[in-house]
Amino acid sequence: EPEVTQTPSHQVTQMGQEVILRCVPISNHLYFYWYRQILGQKVEFLVSFYNNEISEKSEIFDDQFSVERPDGSNFTLKIRSTKLEDSAMYFCASRGLAGQETQYFGPGTRLLVL
Amino acid sequence: DAKTTQPNSMESNEEEPVHLPCNHSTISGTDYIHWYRQLPSQGPEYVIHGLTSNVNNRMASLAIAEDRKSSTLILHRATLRDAAVYYCILRDFRSYNTDKLIFGTGTRLQVFP
Repeated sequence: EPEVTQTPSHQVTQMGQEVILRCVPISNHLYFYWYRQILGQKVEFLVSFYNNEISEKSEIFDDQFSVERPDGSNFTLKIRSTKLEDSAMYFCASRGLAGQETQYFGPGTRLLVL
Repeated sequence: DAKTTQPNSMESNEEEPVHLPCNHSTISGTDYIHWYRQLPSQGPEYVIHGLTSNVNNRMASLAIAEDRKSSTLILHRATLRDAAVYYCILRDFRSYNTDKLIFGTGTRLQVFP
């Protein structure tokens, strides 16, 4: 069964450093998402991406965040200058065609900012 | 998106049926009812979704009240692997390009051997 993959599984970085989290969505999917989950809290929506542009973003997704689909397979989330409060699990998700409701989530990247 | 209310936690014994309730009294006519679950240290996983009629798949059944103001996720025979947080989420099917999932706190299901 096809699945969403994410790399790395864990990342430790120093405050102020840039990080890039990588996702490979399911191959024929068209809609892509990033969510995050701070330890012990709810899963929060960050951004959705369709047709090579951002469809919607949350208040969390400020100028420090950006997303890119650099080729036909990868979908990346960049945090330019990490803050302590960016420490969280980051989940990528993808969805197929319009009318297909299910979002498929990856296993997540655990980001720790020191 | 309309709000849902779920119990914080439920318990079950292995191989018994589990009924996980969800109230969504402000649901609109175009809201799908989705259920996802999150196993420990994993990403959310789709379980089932429906609009008006009851739905069955290999994982679970979804029973939707006639007035659609509540629904119940039914696990017919709980296994230890079903221990997870279960989320009931409403999503307007008209919004294909703005279709974020809004997760609440969900119901933490414990399954005992």
